[in-house]
Amino acid sequence: GAGVSQSPSNKVTEKGKDVELRCDPISGHTALYWYRQSLGQGLEFLIYFQGNSAPDKSGLPSDRFSAERTGGSVSTLTIQRTQQEDSAVYLCASSFRDRGNYGYTFGSGTRLTVV
Amino acid sequence: AQSVTQLDSHVSVSEGTPVLLRCNYSSSYSPSLFWYVQHPNKGLQLLLKYTSAATLVKGINGFEAEFKKSETSFHLTKPSAHMSDAAEYFCVVRYTGTASKLTFGTGTRLQVTL
Repeated sequence: GAGVSQSPSNKVTEKGKDVELRCDPISGHTALYWYRQSLGQGLEFLIYFQGNSAPDKSGLPSDRFSAERTGGSVSTLTIQRTQQEDSAVYLCASSFRDRGNYGYTFGSGTRLTVV
Repeated sequence: AQSVTQLDSHVSVSEGTPVLLRCNYSSSYSPSLFWYVQHPNKGLQLLLKYTSAATLVKGINGFEAEFKKSETSFHLTKPSAHMSDAAEYFCVVRYTGTASKLTFGTGTRLQVTL
């Protein structure tokens, strides 16, 4: 597609449930990133994919968080046993290559609310 | 440690007056610097980027930013604010050798009044 697509746009879940967030990057973009934007805070890096590999997953807050990418395209971020502090907007971005001189295109995000 | 500081959490200007949003980064070799804008309930949009070419970078919607190595700054400016500029602005840095991780500032909310 023309942009980075994320689904769902909004998700309300009960504490303790698992959730899956999906990111469909721009076709041909080999690099994919997940960020989290919490209320009143900046964007927090979670994980970076180059192709299907994740050379940097240092930002995942706990082992309840995992992500995968298949076919060098779609990525899924999974949060197990959700907690209220997981409530945030989860943003996905893609880039043509792992290079700073390329811009990063962000999706509109998934707003996750844990009740 | 890699960091980027946006000095103002909130800036208010009148329509038609200049805009200045300040950003400082921790000194490092060859950083790439970006400004992103986020309108309410919209995704992040790239305004402009600096990647060691010209130090004065022109972006979309009349915005520009100047990379000043001696001051470790990358302030965003616009000569004349428009109501549609009201949004959250993020200064972002990527350092060479950090495996593509973008470090975001905490954001500056720009308010434009009549």
